[in-house]
Amino acid sequence: ETGVTQTPRHLVMGMTNKKSLKCEQHLGHNAMYWYKQSAKKPLELMFVYNFKEQTENNSVPSRFSPECPNSSHLFLHLHTLQPEDSALYLCASSQPQGTGGYTFGSGTRLTVV
Amino acid sequence: GESVGLHLPTLSVQEGDNSIINCAYSNSASDYFIWYKQESGKGPQFIIDIRSNMDKRQGQRVTVLLNKTVKHLSLQIAATQPGDSAVYFCAENSLDQTGANNLFFGTGTRLTVIP
Repeated sequence: ETGVTQTPRHLVMGMTNKKSLKCEQHLGHNAMYWYKQSAKKPLELMFVYNFKEQTENNSVPSRFSPECPNSSHLFLHLHTLQPEDSALYLCASSQPQGTGGYTFGSGTRLTVV
Repeated sequence: GESVGLHLPTLSVQEGDNSIINCAYSNSASDYFIWYKQESGKGPQFIIDIRSNMDKRQGQRVTVLLNKTVKHLSLQIAATQPGDSAVYFCAENSLDQTGANNLFFGTGTRLTVIP
């Protein structure tokens, strides 16, 4: 365990479903991140939260909606996804943004059918 | 038809040999670099880092070398073991287009250790 826990580990959802991914860290970090990892592509940064405030949204479609209720928890709400959204979704945390390395969770393997 | 995608560089080494994984970074202003290891079914795990005021840093069986002149980073693994088989990513910390510091990841290199 890295200290960053993601649930569920696997998720299969239909295109009309609504689901949420959860990330939790108890490392005392103040920044949290969502990344998308697709086959044959580099890690794509989706969202950044620094001290619970969203600081970046890298042109992510509105069918992905992040939520950060506190510094320890991060959610990614999903609705009306497309098959091309199937990927590994990774959560990471760090000390305040830009000050050090990231600790990653094991990811949620999402399949959209 | 045949799909064309981004092919992951691969490196195969014999167990016990040393491995060298290379990475070219893009931003000469980057001040911090990290190597991550990602095993199948897991998220990336921190291996070793180096700041731009250093040329070399050693850990347990791993060494990172930084050549700022040519913007090149390498990871050396001594006495490679089967458990080292994974995808290795380099990452650089630099300012993004919004002016915020972020880590930018390379595409990764798949290391396969042959027993």
